Amino acid sequence: DQQVKQNSPSLSVQEGRISILNCDYTNSMFDYFLWYKKYPAEGPTFLISISSIKDKNEDGRFTVFLNKSAKHLSLHIVPSQPGDSAVYFCAAILYDKVIFGPGTSLSVIP
Amino acid sequence: DTAVSQTPKYLVTQMGNDKSIKCEQNLGHDTMYWYKQDSKKFLKIMFSYNNKELIINETVPNRFSPKSPDKAHLNLHINSLELGDSAVYFCASSQDILAGTYEQYFGPGTRLTVT
Repeated sequence: DQQVKQNSPSLSVQEGRISILNCDYTNSMFDYFLWYKKYPAEGPTFLISISSIKDKNEDGRFTVFLNKSAKHLSLHIVPSQPGDSAVYFCAAILYDKVIFGPGTSLSVIP
Repeated sequence: DTAVSQTPKYLVTQMGNDKSIKCEQNLGHDTMYWYKQDSKKFLKIMFSYNNKELIINETVPNRFSPKSPDKAHLNLHINSLELGDSAVYFCASSQDILAGTYEQYFGPGTRLTVT
């Protein structure tokens, strides 16, 4: 039973446009969420996070939105760049445990 | 000046063998983790240590034994390797998960292939 879901395995976006990556979760006790980016043959790297007491966090081109009532968060990348092509993992924190989603592969087309 | 390093990067071995993967972090973090990324690309936590003490031990076969000689190192020893152990294993660290700092730094991964 996946507690953190990323229902789109892949996404293609034109360079310069907005990329929106979605994540849904089932456990309302999750109190912190993170997004990681992963290139092939490398470990994931931290991108941005959000506490459950907030609904938005922004860092440069990256913005994460949290809708607690819908148990949904999204990562917006504006403008998308070819270097953003990677797998993006959503992760949620429950007490001391980090639970990852299955990832969404983003391709940004020049 | 690598933050989280793992050795080896690739490991090919036969069923029944015993192998170890080493992990070191030079970030001064208190918490270290081992994750397994299986063929479906799910990242699943296996173990977590905080200041050399085990704090998370997921449902992992007891053939897997983590060892933390000091808070900068968390090694993973696997006994009697099985085909299903083939995966990429990632080590990670964070400042102190018990204090609420959750951002993790990952190593490059170790691709284990059991034949």
